[in-house]
Amino acid sequence: SAVISQKPSRDICQRGTSLTIQCQVDSQVTMMFWYRQQPGQSLTLIATANQGSEATYESGFVIDKFPISRPNLTFSTLTVSNMSPEDSSIYLCSGSWSYNEQFFGPGTRLTVL
Amino acid sequence: AQTVTQSQPEMSVQEAETVTLSCTYDTSESDYYLFWYKQPPSRQMILVIRQEAYKQQNATENRFSVNFQKAAKSFSLKISDSQLGDAAMYFCAYRSASYGNKLVFGAGTILRVKS
Repeated sequence: SAVISQKPSRDICQRGTSLTIQCQVDSQVTMMFWYRQQPGQSLTLIATANQGSEATYESGFVIDKFPISRPNLTFSTLTVSNMSPEDSSIYLCSGSWSYNEQFFGPGTRLTVL
Repeated sequence: AQTVTQSQPEMSVQEAETVTLSCTYDTSESDYYLFWYKQPPSRQMILVIRQEAYKQQNATENRFSVNFQKAAKSFSLKISDSQLGDAAMYFCAYRSASYGNKLVFGAGTILRVKS
C-alpha cells in the first residue's frame, strides 16, 4: 500500500482568493487523481494529474478554475482559483499504480467565506 | 457510461451481528474491478475489499466478504461480527480495465453500529 499526505488538512479562505493543495505519495505511482467531496456526498473526480503534461479534466471542471501540476511520480498540486462559497468542500488526492489498487490521502477541508 | 447504485442511504446493525450492504452497477464491459471503501468520520478513505471481474470466487478479507454476481451486476458487502469501529460511510466503486483509470463511486451507505 501507499501512504498519501496532503497539506493543508483544512483551511478557511476568503472569496476571490486561491488555495493550493499539495499531495505527496511515499512511493512512485503511475496515476494520480483529484476528487471533490461535498458534505454528505460521494466523491466526484475533478481530473487526472498527468506527469509532465496537462491534466485531464472531467466534465464540469476546467483548468482555469482548478489548475493542476504533477512534476514527478510522487507529487501533485491542485489549486482552487478565485474561490466562492460553492467551492467549500473536501478535496482528496489519490494515487494508483495498478487497476486493482487505489489509495487516498486524508483530504483537505476547505471553507470559503 | 458506467454507473454505480447504492440503494440504501443508511443501515443499522447491532454489535456482533451481520449486515449486508447492497451495490449494483451498470456496464457493457466484461473486464473491470469493483471495490468497497470505508470512510469514517476522520474522512480517510480506506480500501476494504476488491474484486476482479474475471475471478468467480468471491473476495474475503477477515470479517468482510462480498457476494459478486456478475450476470446480475451486483456486488454486495457482508460484514460479520460487526464492531463499533465499523461505523462509517461505505462506498461501492467501479473501475474499468479498458477505458481510462477512473473510479466511479456510488452515493454511499451510512452504517451505524449499535452497542
